[in-house]
Amino acid sequence: DTGVSQNPRHKITKRGQNVTFRCDPISEHNRLYWYRQTLGQGPEFLTYFQNEAQLEKSRLLSDRFSAERPKGSFSTLEIQRTEQGDSAMYLCASSFRWGTEAFFGQGTRLTVV
Amino acid sequence: AQSVTQLDSQVPVFEEAPVELRCNYSSSVSVYLFWYVQYPNQGLQLLLKYLSGSTLVKGINGFEAEFNKSQTSFHLRKPSVHISDTAEYFCAAQGGSEKLVFGKGTKLTVNP
Repeated sequence: DTGVSQNPRHKITKRGQNVTFRCDPISEHNRLYWYRQTLGQGPEFLTYFQNEAQLEKSRLLSDRFSAERPKGSFSTLEIQRTEQGDSAMYLCASSFRWGTEAFFGQGTRLTVV
Repeated sequence: AQSVTQLDSQVPVFEEAPVELRCNYSSSVSVYLFWYVQYPNQGLQLLLKYLSGSTLVKGINGFEAEFNKSQTSFHLRKPSVHISDTAEYFCAAQGGSEKLVFGKGTKLTVNP
């Protein structure tokens, strides 16, 4: 078990470009979560998948953000037309079921210049 | 809606001193409560969790927390801290939905 893996670890992009992040959860975990963490704040929930179904989305997830989890395995988070305000750490987590530990990846740090 | 308030943004202590990091929550439903630790440029690691049962919960690295329903608190304690405990600590609540609601974090700095 290698834990939750996120790629890339760092991404610098120009404003207006599209970016895509990947998360590989722990293999037997059917729940996958995306959070965003800005400097000096706690992680904020973005969206949640149970298997391949996206069951909950935060109002923080504007129409420029889209997440997928095809076949209930890895997940991707895409941000279109990036803005400077999108600069943050994007964290992925997975868990086996509700109330059990959510294991977090090391995150992808996005910098929009 | 749930909310989590961490009352101290920064807590400096000397090595081997006791420490308490405070967390209060509000929720209209029953919640599960968690404490996570984050080292620089790392993801979050679970320290301990309260789901039900005994209100005193023991976690890793010598940490413990006490759930107090009447005061809606879940304070984290350690009787003797080490330099290696320097990190940011997050309290989180989960209830009514799958998402974790986090506080803003407390930066613990342990000085020699």
